[in-house]
Amino acid sequence: GAGVSQSPSNKVTEKGKDVELRCDPISGHTALYWYRQSLGQGLEFLIYFQGNSAPDKSGLPSDRFSAERTGGSVSTLTIQRTQQEDSAVYLCASSLVDNSYEQYFGPGTRLTVT
Amino acid sequence: GQNIDQPTEMTATEGAIVQINCTYQTSGFNGLFWYQQHAGEAPTFLSYNVLDGLEEKGRFSSFLSRSKGYSYLLLKELQMKDSASYLCAVRSVTGTASKLTFGTGTRLQVTL
Repeated sequence: GAGVSQSPSNKVTEKGKDVELRCDPISGHTALYWYRQSLGQGLEFLIYFQGNSAPDKSGLPSDRFSAERTGGSVSTLTIQRTQQEDSAVYLCASSLVDNSYEQYFGPGTRLTVT
Repeated sequence: GQNIDQPTEMTATEGAIVQINCTYQTSGFNGLFWYQQHAGEAPTFLSYNVLDGLEEKGRFSSFLSRSKGYSYLLLKELQMKDSASYLCAVRSVTGTASKLTFGTGTRLQVTL
């Protein structure tokens, strides 16, 4: 596709449920990033993939968060046993190689935990 | 770790010039980015500086001083559509791992 796509665009879930967020990067981009943005806050780095491996998982806030990437393309971010503080917009970005290149962001998934 | 500071909000008049400052403290500095984010939308890339000096791109310019840990984004001939948040982001490299850390953003309001 022309840009980074994410699904779903909106997700409302009950506290304690698991959710899975999907990111489809720009074709040919080897680097993929997940960020979280709470209302009125800056971007919080979660995890970064180079190919299928994640050299930097330091931003994952707890062991309830995990992510994987397969085939050097699609990535899924899974949040288990969601809590209300997980409510945020989850943004995915991709870049050609790594952080030295500009990152192209997807439209985000707005997650609301009730 | 990294620490990035930028003003929370700024207001400027249509047609004017505004400068948005960003100061940072980081180890392994390897580049500074500026992104624009309109309300409810994803960030879009504006500029990238890795060497000291001014990079100009149309109405937008970005400046970097590595020795001072300082950058600014200059917006000329302001238009109403420039009302948005402007995010400063610093790339740092440790060993083979690189990381992009974003500031909390500066919300710019352009008025008539």
